[in-house]
Amino acid sequence: QKEVEQDPGPLSVPEGAIVSLNCTYSNSAFQYFMWYRQYSRKGPELLMYTYSSGNKEDGRFTAQVDKSSKYISLFIRDSQPSDSATYLCAMSFQRTGKLIFGQGTTLQVKP
Amino acid sequence: GAGVSQTPSNKVTEKGKYVELRCDPISGHTALYWYRQSLGQGPEFLIYFQGTGAADDSGLPNDRFFAVRPEGSVSTLKIQRTERGDSAVYLCASSLGATGGNEQYFGPGTRLTVT
Repeated sequence: QKEVEQDPGPLSVPEGAIVSLNCTYSNSAFQYFMWYRQYSRKGPELLMYTYSSGNKEDGRFTAQVDKSSKYISLFIRDSQPSDSATYLCAMSFQRTGKLIFGQGTTLQVKP
Repeated sequence: GAGVSQTPSNKVTEKGKYVELRCDPISGHTALYWYRQSLGQGPEFLIYFQGTGAADDSGLPNDRFFAVRPEGSVSTLKIQRTERGDSAVYLCASSLGATGGNEQYFGPGTRLTVT
């Protein structure tokens, strides 16, 4: 069993839809929870990060962490075709920045 | 400012050959990470440096893989006796510090194909 599980999709939604992406994890020692966006043939870029449990909002994006359930989510409101990409969840421990990634979910937003 | 750069962008090599992949981190970033991303998978940690020393090399798959960062800036990932299973995108990232919570900035990757 992988430390971080993420449904690979693909996920296809119409423009303007609300998108929900999620990951589960097994190691309760994770303290930092991140979402990266990766366009084809590019490196990942950080979208959101959360320390420990709670919610964080940035524009159309909301990240949620539920440490009791070992479950994290990313919500995208009013999705746009430019949001079409692979979304990777990632986690790290307090003492090291080494990232453990999920498999990534491929999202397509259709105009 | 300049981001993380990686060279070459693509490398095709024959099975059994030696390859070197280079990473130029963002100036002033003390931590440097190498990850490997296979098709349809998330990046997988290989090794990270804090300054010149390898702080954690637990992700290197075997002793054919080696990485250096002699002056605490540029890093080179070296793969000996390449195998077809080494084909992947090799990503480099850098950050200001090496603890959790420091944002990692990724380069575009080197796409390695072993024929």
